[in-house]
Order: sequence, then C-alpha cells, then structure tokens
Amino acid sequence: QLQLQESGPGLVKPAETLSLTCTVSGGSISSRSYYWGWIRQPPGKGLEWIGSVYYSGSTYYNPSNPSLKSRVTMSVDTSKNQFSLKLRSLTAADTAVYYCASRVSAVGGGGIDSWGQGSLVTVSS
Amino acid sequence: SSELTQPPSVSVSPGQTARITCSGDALSEKYTYWYQQKSGQAPVLVVSEDSKRPSGIPERFSGSSSGTLATLTVSGAQVDDEGDYYCFSTDSRGFHWLFGGGTKLTVL
Repeated sequence: QLQLQESGPGLVKPAETLSLTCTVSGGSISSRSYYWGWIRQPPGKGLEWIGSVYYSGSTYYNPSNPSLKSRVTMSVDTSKNQFSLKLRSLTAADTAVYYCASRVSAVGGGGIDSWGQGSLVTVSS
Repeated sequence: SSELTQPPSVSVSPGQTARITCSGDALSEKYTYWYQQKSGQAPVLVVSEDSKRPSGIPERFSGSSSGTLATLTVSGAQVDDEGDYYCFSTDSRGFHWLFGGGTKLTVL
C-alpha cells in the first residue's frame, strides 16, 4: 500500500503562487501502474480533481474548470519519488484542503487507491 | 458528457436501507468507485469496480451498475455510516478523473 504525504505552506497571499509537493513511499513514482493526482476540497464543498501526472511527465488537467486549468502546472521528480503542483494567481476561491492521490492505471478505469492526509491552504493577505 | 450526478442528500432511519445513485455517460464504459468521507478526514474507498468490496469494509456496503447509472446500497444502515459519499470514475480515455458532487447520508 502506497503512502502519500503533502507538504507546503498553509497560508499564501492573493496573486501569489502555491507550490505543493507530494512524497510517495511504499512504491516507486516511476511505476507505470499509477497516475499521480491532485484533488482539492473547498470548505463545506465537494471534491474537485485538479489534474494528474504520469511517470513519463505527461500531464492531464481538468477541462471542466478552464480558469483553474490555465493556472496549473504539475510535474514529477523521480529522483526524489515526489510529484508537485503549482497554482498561480491565487484568489480566496482557491482556499481548500488539497489532497494528493494515486490512481491505478487500468483498462476499465482504475480507482484512487491511496490518499494523502490533506493539506489546508488558506489564501489571505 | 463528463459529469457525474448524485443527489445532494439521503436520509434513513437506523436499520433501513440507503441507496445513493450516481449517473453519467462515463459509467457505461468505465467502472464506478465509491468513497466515504467523514468530517475532517480523507475519503475511504467502500466499493471498487462497480461492486467489489475492499478488505475491511462491512458487508452492508454493496454496489451495482447498469448502463449510465451506478448505485451504492447500505443495507441496515448504522449511525456510524453517516458522512459524505462520492462516486468516482474516469472519462472514456481514462485520463480525466471524474467525481460526483457528493451525497450526504444521514442516519437518524
């Protein structure tokens, strides 16, 4: 079973860039069996998929939220067994718990099998 | 369409059967997964691949899927089953992750 752990600032200012890192243990981020993703949850609201990255560096961002997609960059660092999220031009609407997660790559569409504990990010001056 | 639709809330009395639905075009081609989330915690998988129950999940949790509709059934719901439930799937190519809006289950 994989273990995932988010790290990054808990408070960021409006207009700044959020950088979060997810460290993977119990398995290799270079595995072809997984997609590595970021999910967020604003206070009192549902889960929103931000995007994901494959070991090869291929990225996939949520097309249903164009304003989010245009501000996101994800990458993978195989030497550190980590993947990361950068979210630019922050506003208060980006305040949320951010989860990193692993999803199984499968023909039938694999599910999310591991989650980080979540990292609360507050956007405020 | 790349959306998954769930009812906002479901309420049952203890011991009754709760059914939570999830609809979306993606479900006709891809598996549905169900996650339970309690306040302040990360989601937990309760049903995988439409109808499989992971190790450690009580037998009262079951899932089914037909066409574009998936259903999570909690038979003999207990107060401890209260929480938010999310369905999950992927688009047809398997690249984009899809979440339902979530259903708040109340058992009282």
